[in-house]
Amino acid sequence: QQPVQSPQAVILREGEDAVINCSSSKALYSVHWYRQKHGEAPVFLMILLKGGEQKGHDKISASFNEKKQQSSLYLTASQLSYSGTYFCGLTSQGGSEKLVFGKGTKLTVNP
Amino acid sequence: ETGVTQSPTHLIKTRGQQVTLRCSSQSGHNTVSWYQQALGQGPQFIFQYYREEENGRGNFPPRFSGLQFPNYSSELNVNALELDDSALYLCASSLDRRTEAFFGQGTRLTVV
Repeated sequence: QQPVQSPQAVILREGEDAVINCSSSKALYSVHWYRQKHGEAPVFLMILLKGGEQKGHDKISASFNEKKQQSSLYLTASQLSYSGTYFCGLTSQGGSEKLVFGKGTKLTVNP
Repeated sequence: ETGVTQSPTHLIKTRGQQVTLRCSSQSGHNTVSWYQQALGQGPQFIFQYYREEENGRGNFPPRFSGLQFPNYSSELNVNALELDDSALYLCASSLDRRTEAFFGQGTRLTVV
């Protein structure tokens, strides 16, 4: 089942912070976050695993609430290069290896 | 830079024709997944191959089929093309579901 992302779109000024949320109705095993710029392939940002293991970037962090089956991506001190569409992808407990993506959150950072 | 390469980058086909898309996975990755991405949508999972075996399939009809070769490169075949098959087709390679998947640049397929 497709995860639900919110908000659908957000506009920031450079230096502002943003939070993007991702929720699922199924028990999750892992959450993957990607950023895709127009006409380009999705680029890996962050993976969060059941049990708390986490990988990611310096200025991008994320949380994974296993009980609520939710994840949030935190972008601090946004830069112009952060603009793009952010997708969360989920793998479910007991399921196949497939990564199911949400519809995306379009982030625009203006000077 | 991910090391996942796809060919061709663009393709135009006529309805009813067949198409083969190719993907070379990143070195050391034995898992390849294929996705279809329509304009303005997230990638939709087609299927995954792990060590030459299909390891999960999304809600796509049987005319979407695939292969993975001993070197872990992969092909996506689509028969009897329909106009709605027009999309960006992405492949992604990974070690397993505990690690990140790296995407190729995609193949833009247009069916006319």
